[in-house]
Amino acid sequence: KAGVTQTPRYLIKTRGQQVTLSCSPISGHRSVSWYQQTPGQGLQFLFEYFSETQRNKGNFPGRFSGRQFSNSRSEMNVSTLELGDSALYLCASSLGGLSGSYEQYFGPGTRLTVT
Amino acid sequence: AQTVTQSQPEMSVQEAETVTLSCTYDTSENNYYLFWYKQPPSRQMILVIRQEAYKQQNATENRFSVNFQKAAKSFSLKISDSQLGDTAMYFCAFMKHEYGNKLVFGAGTILRVKS
Repeated sequence: KAGVTQTPRYLIKTRGQQVTLSCSPISGHRSVSWYQQTPGQGLQFLFEYFSETQRNKGNFPGRFSGRQFSNSRSEMNVSTLELGDSALYLCASSLGGLSGSYEQYFGPGTRLTVT
Repeated sequence: AQTVTQSQPEMSVQEAETVTLSCTYDTSENNYYLFWYKQPPSRQMILVIRQEAYKQQNATENRFSVNFQKAAKSFSLKISDSQLGDTAMYFCAFMKHEYGNKLVFGAGTILRVKS
């Protein structure tokens, strides 16, 4: 089975711009979660989507948004980029059910640099 | 809110020896899951081992095993016969047993395996 894929792998944007990151989960997985990793804040949960619905949300401003498509692929969008948004954005997928399917498998990440 | 604490920012071990990484967590939940993830220099997050809180038996995966002490809220990772490829950042993570996946991560421990 193919793993979780994320595109693009690297991105450089200017402050004030917006960006869209994409994540394709493992085949059959219906849950996609997004995390931000920075040296200062570590790994922080952004949000989780399951069957095209946001099921869980972290403490990030409204500039961070996401969506999930019927094929379980997910995108996250960051508008009005700030220098502090520079980070590794990790996507993880899981089966998403309540019992025995909670393990999350991560993609390689998208490295976003805001200048 | 749940918190995860990894008190060892860095550790080193000689090849073929055994090392233990510490993790403590704080929660009022009774049902939850605990994980250890490994992040090598490639930045790919890899699931090492998982533990369900309702299981008293400690999880093992080949050279990796955990010491889960629910009352003490402690979840340490033991790596036996350390190999150079074990060099990585190791993250301890917590997930509530609920409808929705959200991992809460510790700050991580950098493990260096020396030849």
